[in-house]
Amino acid sequence: GAVVSQHPSWVICKSGTSVKIECRSLDFQATTMFWYRQFPKQSLMLMATSNEGSKATYEQGVEKDKFLINHASLTLSTLTVTSAHPEDSSFYICSARVPGQANTEAFFGQGTRLTVV
Amino acid sequence: AQSVTQLGSHVSVSEGALVLLRCNYSSSVPPYLFWYVQYPNQGLQLLLKYTTGATLVKGINGFEAEFKKSETSFHLTKPSAHMSDAAEYFCAVSRTGTASKLTFGTGTRLQVTL
Repeated sequence: GAVVSQHPSWVICKSGTSVKIECRSLDFQATTMFWYRQFPKQSLMLMATSNEGSKATYEQGVEKDKFLINHASLTLSTLTVTSAHPEDSSFYICSARVPGQANTEAFFGQGTRLTVV
Repeated sequence: AQSVTQLGSHVSVSEGALVLLRCNYSSSVPPYLFWYVQYPNQGLQLLLKYTTGATLVKGINGFEAEFKKSETSFHLTKPSAHMSDAAEYFCAVSRTGTASKLTFGTGTRLQVTL
């Protein structure tokens, strides 16, 4: 199957700083990627849909100025958590589908655990 | 709008026993249904999916699920649990299309005991 890679796997940052998380499709081109957030022992909540070459589409309640998404190429989307606070600590996961294939599954990255101290 | 309900946030079975994880969905259009497994601090791995065609879907690791439109259900089963099956399981639904986003259930943690 297709491979999606996230980097870093975990990161600890100080409150007030910004953190960038990368999501790469390694063996296919992804025009669309999805960013999810998962709180401990809870489900995945879609934050935004990242579109190559255009603005991301954010879900209701997600602050677009705080969670900056850039999808500059067909293999890379980045999520930047700006001015991070402890409540932003969470597990962030990206996914992508192989374009042009109807009914295809979504491939997930391994996730990034963010801890803000 | 779409939604997924997973009954039972925690299920415990003995090794060798039947595994049954329940999932009911709501969708205004014919749904695509998925089961994913997540191990601690890892991403999600697809177990199986239903899109069209045969309603009984077989997946990896001996799991299978049956799409029942009349019951709006997509329950996940495995005849005999193994210790390695202990993980978090998520049911998800999406609309048709190549870039449709997934709506996840709240997850069910499967514990397998000796």
